[in-house]
Amino acid sequence: SAVISQKPSRDICQRGTSLTIQCQVDSQVTMMFWYRQQPGQSLTLIATANQGSEATYESGFVIDKFPISRPNLTFSTLTVSNMSPEDSSIYLCSVAGYEQFFGPGTRLTVL
Amino acid sequence: ELKVEQNPLFLSMQEGKNYTIYCNYSTTSDRLYWYRQDPGKSLESLFVLLSNGAVKQEGRLMASLDTKARLSTLHITAAVHDLSATYFCAAHAARGAQKLVFGQGTRLTINP
Repeated sequence: SAVISQKPSRDICQRGTSLTIQCQVDSQVTMMFWYRQQPGQSLTLIATANQGSEATYESGFVIDKFPISRPNLTFSTLTVSNMSPEDSSIYLCSVAGYEQFFGPGTRLTVL
Repeated sequence: ELKVEQNPLFLSMQEGKNYTIYCNYSTTSDRLYWYRQDPGKSLESLFVLLSNGAVKQEGRLMASLDTKARLSTLHITAAVHDLSATYFCAAHAARGAQKLVFGQGTRLTINP
């Protein structure tokens, strides 16, 4: 199984600012995924991060709001831009192989 | 577009009892997952089910898959307090696609 780490684990941010979340995997993977879990809700896919190409965004999510980088096969970042309180959520990265594993998550609170 | 629905969404039960969580999905999917989430934590993978009739068991939890009915179940046997958590099922969005569509989650509380 893959070991996934995320930084930061949690943060409290002011409205209008941006936060970049890092995801590191201990092995090379083709696809990495970014999910959002709003308080008390299920998980929703934001985008798929492919190494060497632009991320693929799901309906309702746009690159200007959630820019993603994927510089190599073990690392990705998700930026939450121009934050509002509605962006308060847990953000999780995941990788897929035989199973799909999730990182520990980044708990974001926007004031 | 694949939709995944779980029921019940909330379940409160006594220790020692048996119960089943149901997961229906709307279109063909080639893989069904069950995850556990404790409060404030990430998702822990419980089971991956690939084929029709697949059954997997780990301790007091048993998962099954009926691809014809597009139904998976998570059965809890002789529940203990430590199994209190939120359980999610998820399916591949399309055959060959690895992105997941999640059910709403079932919040399970087991009382002594």
